[in-house]
Amino acid sequence: SQKIEQNSEALNIQEGKTATLTCNYTNYSPAYLQWYRQDPGRGPVFLLLIRENEKEKRKERLKVTFDTTLKQSLFHITASQPADSATYLCALLNTGTASKLTFGTGTRLQVTL
Amino acid sequence: EPEVTQTPSHQVTQMGQEVILRCVPISNHLYFYWYRQILGQKVEFLVSFYNNEISEKSEIFDDQFSVERPDGSNFTLKIRSTKLEDSAMYFCASTWDRGEQYFGPGTRLTVT
Repeated sequence: SQKIEQNSEALNIQEGKTATLTCNYTNYSPAYLQWYRQDPGRGPVFLLLIRENEKEKRKERLKVTFDTTLKQSLFHITASQPADSATYLCALLNTGTASKLTFGTGTRLQVTL
Repeated sequence: EPEVTQTPSHQVTQMGQEVILRCVPISNHLYFYWYRQILGQKVEFLVSFYNNEISEKSEIFDDQFSVERPDGSNFTLKIRSTKLEDSAMYFCASTWDRGEQYFGPGTRLTVT
């Protein structure tokens, strides 16, 4: 069966450290993999997109890697701040679908002082 | 910066009633979506809409659900006869191409 799993429900790190979140998938052939941020009671906010033929993407303090052999994406936030505390969602656009995004369950990141 | 808007922010309805959730996508976008998120669970795809027709729908999107783009700006989701299990946050999203999607703030639907 198809699955998208994010490494843990919650991740606690200290301010200034690098947070690393994992997204693993099975039985998908993603054309794109995307990362979103969701704050409580709000809609997801797009952060980064990486295509199947790309290995790494960066945007300011964010970095995403994509390994289609391992079927895994890693999402890094460097120099983390308390304002980065949120739930981070991994989402796939599967090859052959029009535009349906399938989301993982998310990892709740808490950055403490 | 353009954004997706949704109304109402919270809708309370009785089981069996019809509800219409409204969205105004970003104006030059071509693809439109509805997703839902039951409390504490993941965001789930319901339906995508492109070129004035449904391009894809999930198993959740049964005959009780319908979508419409009645004019050039609004995009609506209708649930004909609500059930208790329809209680969730409903998010509208839009995009220019099949890339990043822009989500609205959501409508919290409570069915009693």
